[in-house]
Amino acid sequence: AQSVTQLDSQVPVFEEAPVELRCNYSSSVSVYLFWYVQYPNQGLQLLLKYLSGSTLVESINGFEAEFNKSQTSFHLRKPSVHISDTAEYFCAVTLSGGSYIPTFGRGTSLIVHP
Amino acid sequence: NAGVTQTPKFQVLKTGQSMTLQCAQDMNHEYMSWYRQDPGMGLRLIHYSVGAGITDQGEVPNGYNVSRSTTEDFPLRLLSAAPSQTSVYFCASSADSIRYGYTFGSGTRLTVV
Repeated sequence: AQSVTQLDSQVPVFEEAPVELRCNYSSSVSVYLFWYVQYPNQGLQLLLKYLSGSTLVESINGFEAEFNKSQTSFHLRKPSVHISDTAEYFCAVTLSGGSYIPTFGRGTSLIVHP
Repeated sequence: NAGVTQTPKFQVLKTGQSMTLQCAQDMNHEYMSWYRQDPGMGLRLIHYSVGAGITDQGEVPNGYNVSRSTTEDFPLRLLSAAPSQTSVYFCASSADSIRYGYTFGSGTRLTVV
């Protein structure tokens, strides 16, 4: 079975500062990795995903995540955050060859202060 | 607009009552899932389906039933509501959960008193 650990429940930052949201996973088989974002009172939206190939993946709104197999991590980064990035961020993992149902982490609340 | 529609958006139940949370998608997705979201717990899988007529239990299935008679609909039934089922419930669907990820509904906020 796989598990996902998001190391920070809450990350406060000031606008235009860089941010990193940490995600570690455990699995004995190959995995697919995802980051979802949840804005207040909304459902989750897919932010970016790692399936294979380049270990650095990017989203359309400036976020990026890097797959590190040796450290079993998939941390999410943004060099300069905006107030509008305030949201809950969820890391998710899906096993290769399984039911393809993702397991989610507990979430990290990103709070951007002006 | 295409997407996942959940009804109702809010519901208050008394302990012991039963109800059905509705979920419908118009994207012809095979995969559908129900999650509950509780503070500090993230999303926990209740039940899922990989196609019409096929359902399976997730991490926290007790107290809930599902059926999948059509590709479009995946209702979640609470058999006898308990205060521990107070939560926000999300339905999600996908054509290919690896390639496209999941599309989520906007949620149903359920309070059991």
